This record gives sequence, C-alpha cells and structure tokens, in this order.
Amino acid sequence: DQQVKQNSPSLSVQEGRISILNCDYTNSMFDYFLWYKKYPAEGPTFLISISSIKDKNEDGRFTVFLNKSAKHLSLHIVPSQPGDSAVYFCAASEDGGTSYGKLTFGQGTILTVHP
Amino acid sequence: NAGVMQNPRHLVRRRGQEARLRCSPMKGHSHVYWYRQLPEEGLKFMVYLQKENIIDESGMPKERFSAEFPKEGPSILRIQQVVRGDSAAYFCASSPRLVGYTFGSGTRLTVV
Repeated sequence: DQQVKQNSPSLSVQEGRISILNCDYTNSMFDYFLWYKKYPAEGPTFLISISSIKDKNEDGRFTVFLNKSAKHLSLHIVPSQPGDSAVYFCAASEDGGTSYGKLTFGQGTILTVHP
Repeated sequence: NAGVMQNPRHLVRRRGQEARLRCSPMKGHSHVYWYRQLPEEGLKFMVYLQKENIIDESGMPKERFSAEFPKEGPSILRIQQVVRGDSAAYFCASSPRLVGYTFGSGTRLTVV
C-alpha cells in the first residue's frame, strides 16, 4: 500500500533549466509535506516543506506546490545546478506540526543535472 | 554541534547472527526515529522513541527486531537472527520537537 508515490524514477535536466519533481499521495489525512534530498552514502537532508493550508512555499531556488484536490505536490528547482544531482524524496505526515513526526516517504526520483 | 551519529557505517553479518545499530542523537534532541530503506525503495518508518519510552513501533517487524533509547547512551536498534532480507540501509533521525528532524548517515547492513 504505497500512500506516497513518485512515479518518475529518474529525471535528467540541463544546467540552468527548471527541474520539476512530482509526487502523488492517497491518504487524505496527510496535511504536512516535505521534500528531502539524498546523496549516496548519506542520510536525507531536509529541503523544503509545506502545510496543507498553503498551496505554495518558496525558499530560494526551491518552490513546492500543493494541489490538495488532486492530492499532488511538486518541487520546482530553478535554475538547476549540477550540485542538485541527487535522489529526491517526497514525504508526508498527518497532523503536521502537532504529530510526533512519523513520515511516509515516496520511492524517490533520481535527478541528474547536466552541465 | 555534531549531527546525528550512527555507527557502524557498514555492518556485515552472517545469517543467524545479531546486528546492533547505534544512534547518538544531536545534543538536546530527545526524539529518535528509525527508518529502513530497502534497495530501490523509499524510507519506511520503523519506530519512534523518546528517552526510555517507545512511543510508536508500528513499523517494526513483529519478531527479531527491537529498539531502545536508554536514559544514558545512544539509541540501539537490535536485529536478532538476521536473514538476507534484513539487508538494507538503516537511518536514524532525531528531533528536539515533534516535526523537523535531522537524519544520520545511516548504517548499511549486509547479511551474507
């Protein structure tokens, strides 16, 4: 039962262009969403999050969009840089901000940014 | 302020042996979480602990797996009688509050 799905296993983008990573979820109880970045042999690193009361959150080159009706969120990276090449995980939690923080992760998308 | 420290980084065990994975949370963090990442999959929640208490172990396999977070010392994830299917990367995370935690670099367990 995959409650958080990242249907694209990989994405290849040219440096300077936009990277768009997608994530779908099925559990309507999820109300807090996060994106993590992971390099090989390292733990995931928090990138950006969004509460279900918002539809957009921006932090520098990273913007997360949330479409609650479609149960879909996306991460936009503009402009993409070679150092952004990593695995990106979408994650979700229930009762965001008040829960004990248990996260449900997607399978991940491997982003490769070519110089 | 050191991050979340996990050791060992790599652990090789023969089938039937015990594996002990250690996690030292960041200073001041009293919440610890363990996740497991099987090959080609995302991270799966295993257990959430606070000092001396297991808060949620809904992701733990019913047998052979146990976790603790004693008053003093690191959190330990223990796997008894390991099998090949236990081979995975095990990540620990810690938090000073309920959401927004920091992951360690993981322990890669290989069962041969």
